[in-house]
Amino acid sequence: KNEVEQSPQNLTAQEGEFITINCSYSVGISALHWLQQHPGGGIVSLFMLSSGKKKHGRLIATINIQEKHSSLHITASHPRDSAVYICAVRLWLGGTGNQFYFGTGTSLTVIP
Amino acid sequence: DAGVTQSPTHLIKTRGQHVTLRCSPISGHKSVSWYQQVLGQGPQFIFQYYEKEERGRGNFPDRFSARQFPNYSSELNVNALLLGDSALYLCASSSQGPDTQYFGPGTRLTVL
Repeated sequence: KNEVEQSPQNLTAQEGEFITINCSYSVGISALHWLQQHPGGGIVSLFMLSSGKKKHGRLIATINIQEKHSSLHITASHPRDSAVYICAVRLWLGGTGNQFYFGTGTSLTVIP
Repeated sequence: DAGVTQSPTHLIKTRGQHVTLRCSPISGHKSVSWYQQVLGQGPQFIFQYYEKEERGRGNFPDRFSARQFPNYSSELNVNALLLGDSALYLCASSSQGPDTQYFGPGTRLTVL
């Protein structure tokens, strides 16, 4: 059983398309992170959310705590957006501290 | 400013050996987290340290241990290596535990 589920697993889009990647989780969380991983392994943190919505450039992330769901949107997609997008959640477990769970990622390819 | 640095970049070990991976956080960051990413999967949380104390532990055997030094750098130690320990080991730092994490480039460990 995965605490974090992402969909779709793979996504191919034409340049300029609007893209949505979804993340559902099954545990109560302190925060949710969206990460971008390029070939070769480098990971960049895109957003950290605990409620509402955040926007950075062409990227928008939303979270609905009650529904345990988050979405990452990319507007006007570009080939340089091609990467694996990973959803991760952080839980605070009191005495045992923080725990992080990761989705398996969504592999995005944007075609010119 | 230097980002998170990790050493070595790559290493090859044989089963049963021991390995030490090193991480230097961004200057001013006091929290370091370690993750294991097996090829084709999302990262898995191993440890989090803040101010030299363990603040979180993932579901890894006792062969895995870590520590954080007074300068906030960190080491991850893995004893009695198994083939299944082959993975990309990622380190991330943040100014405080719950903050946005900044990832290093990773250390790719191959166990033969």
